[in-house]
Amino acid sequence: GQNIDQPTEMTATEGAIVQINCTYQTSGFNGLFWYQQHAGEAPTFLSYNVLDGLEEKGRFSSFLSRSKGYSYLLLKELQMKDSASYLCAVRDQGGGYNKLIFGAGTRLAVHP
Amino acid sequence: SAVISQKPSRDICQRGTSLTIQCQVDSQVTMMFWYRQQPGQSLTLIATANQGSEATYESGFVIDKFPISRPNLTFSTLTVSNMSPEDSSIYLCSVGGTGGSYNEQFFGPGTRLTVL
Repeated sequence: GQNIDQPTEMTATEGAIVQINCTYQTSGFNGLFWYQQHAGEAPTFLSYNVLDGLEEKGRFSSFLSRSKGYSYLLLKELQMKDSASYLCAVRDQGGGYNKLIFGAGTRLAVHP
Repeated sequence: SAVISQKPSRDICQRGTSLTIQCQVDSQVTMMFWYRQQPGQSLTLIATANQGSEATYESGFVIDKFPISRPNLTFSTLTVSNMSPEDSSIYLCSVGGTGGSYNEQFFGPGTRLTVL
């Protein structure tokens, strides 16, 4: 089966660092995505990991360990505009199609 | 990245009617997907829209309720049939594999549907 877990809510202070964890179990892993979603808007692509290790992109970094079924999204120098939901999604190639299976999302609140 | 547009952006419909949502992409894409996001929840895949063949539906979703068309590599439609208030949701079109790349997947702006 498929299962993706991430914390429901997190809070952090402006300027700080926050790490959002995601654990997953899928039948045919073919990459992990992180998306940011502000209320009332569509998800915005942040990162993609398919190999183990850290991918850095500006203030955002994403890490993957395939053997542990684990990923995290690291947000540095937090800004108020980073308050949003962060969605972990695993690409599952079961059935021959590369479809994304989403976790429930983590609502991040950044306060002054 | 692909530019994706959806029509309508929002609609309010009566119970028992049907609504067709359009998704247009500015480049040819291999895969198009339709997702639903119910209030306060994450995204659930409805189906994968295949060009030249029938859509592939996920568990809990059927063609009679959510018929899909994919006439070419830049366009797809999703119809929500015989609507009930439980169908009130945001419906999102998503594309992947632009330019042969499989490390990206993008979403359209969504269609916010309210069923009375």
